[in-house]
Amino acid sequence: DSGVTQTPKHLITATGQRVTLRCSPRSGDLSVYWYQQSLDQGLQFLIQYYNGEERAKGNILERFSAQQFPDLHSELNLSSLELGDSALYFCASSVVAGGRTGELFFGEGSRLTVL
Amino acid sequence: AQSVAQPEDQVNVAEGNPLTVKCTYSVSGNPYLFWYVQYPNRGLQFLLKYITGDNLVKGSYGFEAEFNKSQTSFHLKKPSALVSDSALYFCAVFWENNNDMRFGAGTRLTVKP
Repeated sequence: DSGVTQTPKHLITATGQRVTLRCSPRSGDLSVYWYQQSLDQGLQFLIQYYNGEERAKGNILERFSAQQFPDLHSELNLSSLELGDSALYFCASSVVAGGRTGELFFGEGSRLTVL
Repeated sequence: AQSVAQPEDQVNVAEGNPLTVKCTYSVSGNPYLFWYVQYPNRGLQFLLKYITGDNLVKGSYGFEAEFNKSQTSFHLKKPSALVSDSALYFCAVFWENNNDMRFGAGTRLTVKP
């Protein structure tokens, strides 16, 4: 158990809809990262937050947004969903702002299926 | 642009034989290097990391990795593979100069009895 909790584990929805994925980092970790894993794109970095502030942005679509709350949990909002958004979405946390010395701890992922 | 390459999509080895999973990265500053493993329907798990020091790094489950600065490589190795090592392996590189961390595409390791 990595200590990172993601909900929901599975989500099935329709095109055009909006969903929210939630992540609770390990106790004491200030950084939260979101990744998308799909068969054809591999593991894609979406966005990182550090202590409530956006720290780095990757290949995140404009239809997607995220935030980190004062209690350090994070939410990833996906809107106007398309079939291609079907993927496994991972949250990871670390103590520091980057990979400087600390490894990332990954949650079990949220599997999103868009029909 | 900074990049991480895992040149093999798939590696097959027989149980008991040594295994190598390859990783190379683009040159920029002094990167920090990581290996992660993903079992089916699970999140990625940290195996080992290289920050500085000895070029041979030992990690979890008997894995080790060798940092080669001249070849910009960080290959994952294990002297004797187990069937239970079968999983998806990801190399990751963090470049401190621009706070950029990237993962390779992953290599699926299959160890046959």
